[in-house]
Amino acid sequence: AQSVAQPEDQVNVAEGNPLTVKCTYSVSGNPYLFWYVQYPNRGLQFLLKYITGDNLVKGSYGFEAEFNKSQTSFHLKKPSALVSDSALYFCAVRDRGGSNYQLIWGAGTKLIIKP
Amino acid sequence: GAGVSQSPSNKVTEKGKDVELRCDPISGHTALYWYRQSLGQGLEFLIYFQGNSAPDKSGLPSDRFSAERTGGSVSTLTIQRTQQEDSAVYLCASSLRQGGDNSPLHFGNGTRLTVT
Repeated sequence: AQSVAQPEDQVNVAEGNPLTVKCTYSVSGNPYLFWYVQYPNRGLQFLLKYITGDNLVKGSYGFEAEFNKSQTSFHLKKPSALVSDSALYFCAVRDRGGSNYQLIWGAGTKLIIKP
Repeated sequence: GAGVSQSPSNKVTEKGKDVELRCDPISGHTALYWYRQSLGQGLEFLIYFQGNSAPDKSGLPSDRFSAERTGGSVSTLTIQRTQQEDSAVYLCASSLRQGGDNSPLHFGNGTRLTVT
């Protein structure tokens, strides 16, 4: 069965420190990979995606993610965390091609940045 | 507007009543999704529209739930005879094209439904 795992329910980081939010996937083929962020009482916002090419993808708000095919991972990173980065983060994958419209979502990771 | 708009933003209803939730997607977006999210939890897929057609209704929890989309634009999600377990945030999202591509989803801010 296809799945996306975000192994940490919550990640705590001190402001100014680097942060990593982990995502691994089990999907056949070569999927598209996405990260979304959800601030309190808001819908999800698209952060970045991996399509092809460079394994390091840069996105909004200074975030980046590294695609690792051998480890089937797509971890979200930021060199220096801000308190305003505190939010719920979701990893998602979609199979390429055909009529597959469905996104497979991780359960989400709550990121808390402490001043 | 520039984004996905959902209304109402909050809805409190009594158990047994019917409710209608509305979603206005971004103009030109052919794909539309409804998700349900319990407090601080993950996303539960409900239904997907491509144009006015719903090729996948597999996520609708029961026959009390239905959805339609008209003119390839506005969508309404209807819950009949609401139950307390229906309480959640209902999120709508749209994207430019249909599946198999890398278009990101654009989400509305959701409708928070509380069934008392």
